[in-house]
Amino acid sequence: DAGITQSPRHKVTETGTPVTLRCHQTENHRYMYWYRQDPGHGLRLIHYSYGVKDTDKGEVSDGYSVSRSKTEDFLLTLESATSSQTSVYFCAINSNRGSYEQYFGPGTRLTVT
Amino acid sequence: DAKTTQPPSMDCAEGRAANLPCNHSTISGNEYVYWYRQIHSQGPQYIIHGLKNNETNEMASLIITEDRKSSTLILPHATLRDTAVYYCIAADTGTASKLTFGTGTRLQVTL
Repeated sequence: DAGITQSPRHKVTETGTPVTLRCHQTENHRYMYWYRQDPGHGLRLIHYSYGVKDTDKGEVSDGYSVSRSKTEDFLLTLESATSSQTSVYFCAINSNRGSYEQYFGPGTRLTVT
Repeated sequence: DAKTTQPPSMDCAEGRAANLPCNHSTISGNEYVYWYRQIHSQGPQYIIHGLKNNETNEMASLIITEDRKSSTLILPHATLRDTAVYYCIAADTGTASKLTFGTGTRLQVTL
């Protein structure tokens, strides 16, 4: 348990509405990540952060933005949700041990109707 | 990152060793082999990683061939709770921030 929480855990929203998912960590990890997972697929990286206000895109970043104004929180925003963004979203952090293994949160199940 | 290849599914009897293979024939010298698993719909769980030496921790052992082109994750005494999808990932520490998950191996542990 790397002290990672995600909120909300479940959300149903309508197409075109903005949605923000929150990832919170308590152990001062520098790196944080957002992944999405769709049925039959592995996880795909959306965005990641390597420090406060330092973020970069992953392989599936279109339609998503992120912000990190403090070490412990990494926010993922869908500016205008679409049905293709229905997915399970996982947040992760890198260990501080130099071996860079990642630890994952419990996930947020998002349904866009 | 080097591409990895895993069998889509495997079965193992409870109490027996589960040996999960992974091919990574294009792995480069500075890339580590990481193993994660995902139980049902939970977040992936880190298991173990290695560079070229065999590694063991409280969860599993990792055997990497001398040429580093393949590896095997060993769960020494599989239990029903080890039923999960297991992912093998090759990444160097510079790009370990961008792990690429394939579809993994679905391990079914049975009575």
